[in-house]
Amino acid sequence: KAGVTQTPRYLIKTRGQQVTLSCSPISGHRSVSWYQQTPGQGLQFLFEYFSETQRNKGNFPGRFSGRQFSNSRSEMNVSTLELGDSALYLCASSLAVGGEAFFGQGTRLTVV
Amino acid sequence: AQSVSQHNHHVILSEAASLELGCNYSYGGTVNLFWYVQYPGQHLQLLLKYFSGDPLVKGIKGFEAEFIKSKFSFNLRKPSVQWSDTAEYFCAVDNNAGNMLTFGGGTRLMVKP
Repeated sequence: KAGVTQTPRYLIKTRGQQVTLSCSPISGHRSVSWYQQTPGQGLQFLFEYFSETQRNKGNFPGRFSGRQFSNSRSEMNVSTLELGDSALYLCASSLAVGGEAFFGQGTRLTVV
Repeated sequence: AQSVSQHNHHVILSEAASLELGCNYSYGGTVNLFWYVQYPGQHLQLLLKYFSGDPLVKGIKGFEAEFIKSKFSFNLRKPSVQWSDTAEYFCAVDNNAGNMLTFGGGTRLMVKP
């Protein structure tokens, strides 16, 4: 069965712009989590959605937001981009609470 | 807040050498523990996981890990590494309150042929 799909794979944006990233979870998975991966900070949790509700949120500013649709697909949005937002953004889907998280290939965002 | 420490940032081994990567976490309650691997250019993949039961868990590709509750540790081991094990390894903890993983800083393993 298809894995977690993230689009686009690569993005280049200018400071001050906003960006929307998309994640399609594995079929049947209702939990979607987002992570930011950078060389300096490593992998950091952004937020998690389950059945269209945000269940957990990491320690990121309000410029980072997300949502989940009724088909479990999720989007995350970053507004007023800063150079420090350059990172690999990973999406993971899980079948149940505390279950194995399956990761997508990520979206590499570069802010110039 | 929980935290995860991986003590070895870079490890270089020759093929057939034994591997042990350390992982300690700071959460005192019930946790789920994971080791993920990221091969060059690929996505994160689960190596093994511990939820409960036997503290010695076996994963894919000959990896195993031992959960020692008294030491808050979940070290990864492999008796004999191969060149194809060259990758970055991440330990992660979930406090079972949702799918919210806290990752360690990662260990880059290079295996020399």
